[in-house]
Amino acid sequence: QQPVQSPQAVILREGEDAVINCSSSKALYSVHWYRQKHGEAPVFLMILLKGGEQKGHEKISASFNEKKQQSSLYLTASQLSYSGTYFCGTEPGDYKLSFGAGTTVTVRA
Amino acid sequence: SQTIHQWPATLVQPVGSPLSLECTVEGTSNPNLYWYRQAAGRGLQLLFYSVGIGQISSEVPQNLSASRPQDRQFILSSKKLLLSDSGFYLCAWSRGQGAWEQYFGPGTRLTVT
Repeated sequence: QQPVQSPQAVILREGEDAVINCSSSKALYSVHWYRQKHGEAPVFLMILLKGGEQKGHEKISASFNEKKQQSSLYLTASQLSYSGTYFCGTEPGDYKLSFGAGTTVTVRA
Repeated sequence: SQTIHQWPATLVQPVGSPLSLECTVEGTSNPNLYWYRQAAGRGLQLLFYSVGIGQISSEVPQNLSASRPQDRQFILSSKKLLLSDSGFYLCAWSRGQGAWEQYFGPGTRLTVT
């Protein structure tokens, strides 16, 4: 079942912060975050595992609340390069990801 | 390092024609392989995944099929394309055994006319 992402879109000025939320109705083993630029393939940002382990991007952080099946991605001090569509992918333990509809982030100078 | 290739990059096909998209991975062995479809402005829909040669799981009933004839080769096929098959097709790989990040190929943009 597809996770729910919010907001659908956000516009930022350089240096501002934003939070993208991802919520699932199923128990999760891991949550993945990807960013996609227009016309390109998604690029891996971060994976959060049940139990607290994280792997990923240096400048982008995320949290995973296992009990609530929710994850948040934090864009801090945004840069122009952060623009794109962010997808969360949720995985219940069977190696298959269900992706949200995406959050479009636009960072302006 | 690992790389993933997909071809062709773009394809325009008439309704009712066959389809074959190919994906190959280099630099790793026994990867998990995935086919996704992305409609314009939408999220990614998992179509097929494979944990080994000849092992294919289908996620969505449709007129598409997948095969894995070699460890690092994944093929998406159709005997007769429908208009609704248009979209951006992405192949991805991940390490097996556990929760690993997925790496996507460059994609094939398919337009069925």
